[in-house]
Amino acid sequence: AQSVAQPEDQVNVAEGNPLTVKCTYSVSGNPYLFWYVQYPNRGLQFLLKYITGDNLVKGSYGFEAEFNKSQTSFHLKKPSALVSDSALYFCAVSSFSGGYNKLIFGAGTRLAVHP
Amino acid sequence: GAGVSQSPSNKVTEKGKDVELRCDPISGHTALYWYRQSLGQGLEFLIYFQGNSAPDKSGLPSDRFSAERTGGSVSTLTIQRTQQEDSAVYLCASSFTRAGGQSSYEQYFGPGTRLTVT
Repeated sequence: AQSVAQPEDQVNVAEGNPLTVKCTYSVSGNPYLFWYVQYPNRGLQFLLKYITGDNLVKGSYGFEAEFNKSQTSFHLKKPSALVSDSALYFCAVSSFSGGYNKLIFGAGTRLAVHP
Repeated sequence: GAGVSQSPSNKVTEKGKDVELRCDPISGHTALYWYRQSLGQGLEFLIYFQGNSAPDKSGLPSDRFSAERTGGSVSTLTIQRTQQEDSAVYLCASSFTRAGGQSSYEQYFGPGTRLTVT
């Protein structure tokens, strides 16, 4: 069975400092990995994905994530955090079995960036 | 262009009543997904549509839940005889279908419908 773990309920970072939001996954076959962000009273916004190729993927708003197959991790990173990055972040995995993207989400990590 | 829209944005209903939640996907997106976001269960997949057919209904939690899609566009999620545990935010997402029939990887989400069962 597929699963995603986000071990931190909340991450606190000072503005201008680098941030990391952790994600580990379990999936049979090749993983398709995603990060989404949710602002209050809004739907989920796509940030980035790993399908194949380079382990470091770059996405929207200056975010990037590194795929590590041996550690089954896909941590989200940003070199310099902004207060406006404060939101709820979800990691998701799919096996893309059947040719569609049934996403299995982690529990979410709340990122708080302090001025 | 317009994104995924959902209506109503908020719905309060009494236990035992039926509710209908609507999703308008992005024009041209043939793949449509429903998810549920609740405090106890997090984000859960409910159902997937390709066109008007639903090849994966595996996430529907009980037979009180059903969904349909007409004209390959609008989808309605119906919950019959609502229970308090149905209280959640119901999210709809759509994606386009690539050449060869596979769904694209990115899903575009609507703002959700917050359902409260009293």
